[in-house]
Amino acid sequence: NAGVMQNPRHLVRRRGQEARLRCSPMKGHSHVYWYRQLPEEGLKFMVYLQKENIIDESGMPKERFSAEFPKEGPSILRIQQVVRGDSAAYFCASSPQGPGSNQPQHFGDGTRLSIL
Amino acid sequence: EDKVVQSPLSLVVHEGDTVTLNCSYEVTNFRSLLWYKQEKKAPTFLFMLTSSGIEKKSGRLSSILDKKELFSILNITATQTGDSAIYLCAVSPHGSSNTGKLIFGQGTTLQVKP
Repeated sequence: NAGVMQNPRHLVRRRGQEARLRCSPMKGHSHVYWYRQLPEEGLKFMVYLQKENIIDESGMPKERFSAEFPKEGPSILRIQQVVRGDSAAYFCASSPQGPGSNQPQHFGDGTRLSIL
Repeated sequence: EDKVVQSPLSLVVHEGDTVTLNCSYEVTNFRSLLWYKQEKKAPTFLFMLTSSGIEKKSGRLSSILDKKELFSILNITATQTGDSAIYLCAVSPHGSSNTGKLIFGQGTTLQVKP
C-alpha cells in the first residue's frame, strides 16, 4: 500500500528556470495539500486541491507559482522563473476525504529544491 | 492571525528519560490538533486530538488536549535513540471555506543520547 509519492526527491535549478514538482496521493485519496518548509522554519500551507479543482490557494504566492491536480495523473506544483528564495523542501500531503471528515493528512517524503 | 507555538525548540535527553513536548495555539474556530514525527523524510502521523481531556496513547507515546487553555502536550516515556526526530504540532482550523489546511508550529527537535 504505497504512501504519498513525490518526485523528484531533489531538484536543482538555476535562477530563471522552471521547477515542476509532482505528487501522487495515496490510493483512494482525492484531496491533496502542498506545504513549503524553509530552513529553520515550520511547514507553511500553500494550496489545497481536489481532483481538477483548486479549493484554497491562500498560501501560495500570487506570481510564478501554480498548482494543478488533473483528472488523470499526479498533482503538479509549478514554479516559474525560480529565485534563490524558492530554495526549500516542498511537501505534499493527501487525505481520503475533505476536512470535515476529521481524517489526518499523510505526507510524502518531499522534494528538496535548490536554486543555484 | 492563527498561530501555533511549540516549546522547547530543542531538547537533549538520555535513553530512558521521559520527555514532555508542549504546543500552544491561537486559532479561530478550532477543529483538531495533530502531532507528527519528522525524521529525515516525511512527517509521519502520530495523533489527532479533537476533544479536551481525552488521552490518546500509542505505546510509549501519549498526548492530551486542553481546549480551555489552548494547548496540548506530547509525552514520551522511556525514550530510545530511535525517538530522535523533529516533533511537529499542527492545528486544523474550521473556517467558512472549510479548507482543511494545517497550521504548523516550528517543531521541537529531540535528540536522545545512548
